[in-house]
Amino acid sequence: AQSVAQPEDQVNVAEGNPLTVKCTYSVSGNPYLFWYVQYPNRGLQFLLKYITGDNLVKGSYGFEAEFNKSQTSFHLKKPSALVSDSALYFCAVRERSGNTGKLIFGQGTTLQVKP
Amino acid sequence: DGGITQSPKYLFRKEGQNVTLSCEQNLNHDAMYWYRQDPGQGLRLIYYSQIVNDFQKGDIAEGYSVSREKKESFPLTVTSAQKNPTAFYLCASSMFDSNTGELFFGEGSRLTVL
Repeated sequence: AQSVAQPEDQVNVAEGNPLTVKCTYSVSGNPYLFWYVQYPNRGLQFLLKYITGDNLVKGSYGFEAEFNKSQTSFHLKKPSALVSDSALYFCAVRERSGNTGKLIFGQGTTLQVKP
Repeated sequence: DGGITQSPKYLFRKEGQNVTLSCEQNLNHDAMYWYRQDPGQGLRLIYYSQIVNDFQKGDIAEGYSVSREKKESFPLTVTSAQKNPTAFYLCASSMFDSNTGELFFGEGSRLTVL
């Protein structure tokens, strides 16, 4: 069965320090990979995606993510965290085969950036 | 501006009542989706539609119904058969012919059953 795992419910970092939010997946083939951010009582906002090519993908607000095929991971990173980055982050995957367009989401990781 | 509009933002329902959540988009997207969000469980797919007058069940369709009479609209009805309807509901859309495309989300509707 297809699945996405975000092994940490919460990640705490100090402002200015680098951050990593982890994501691993179990999907047949080479899926398309996405990261979204959600602020309280709001919808999800798209951050970045991996389709093909360079394993390091750059996205919105200074975020980037590294695709690792051998480890089936797609960790979200940022070199220097801001307090305003505090939010709920979701990793999602979509199979390349098939054509439903639906995304499978991880359970989410709360990022807390402290001043 | 283009986007997805969900209404109402907050909704209270008594047990045994059906309620309908509205989702309208002006992005000219073919595909639309309904997800349910519960704390610690991520997003789970309820229903999706890739084209007008057609829709498919997602992973947790029981107790829900949808219609897709217009490209712009994809309302979700939470019926009295849904045993635990209190949740945050998110509508999304995407281009059907773009398997690489991201989903665009509305601001959500929070349903509370009293």
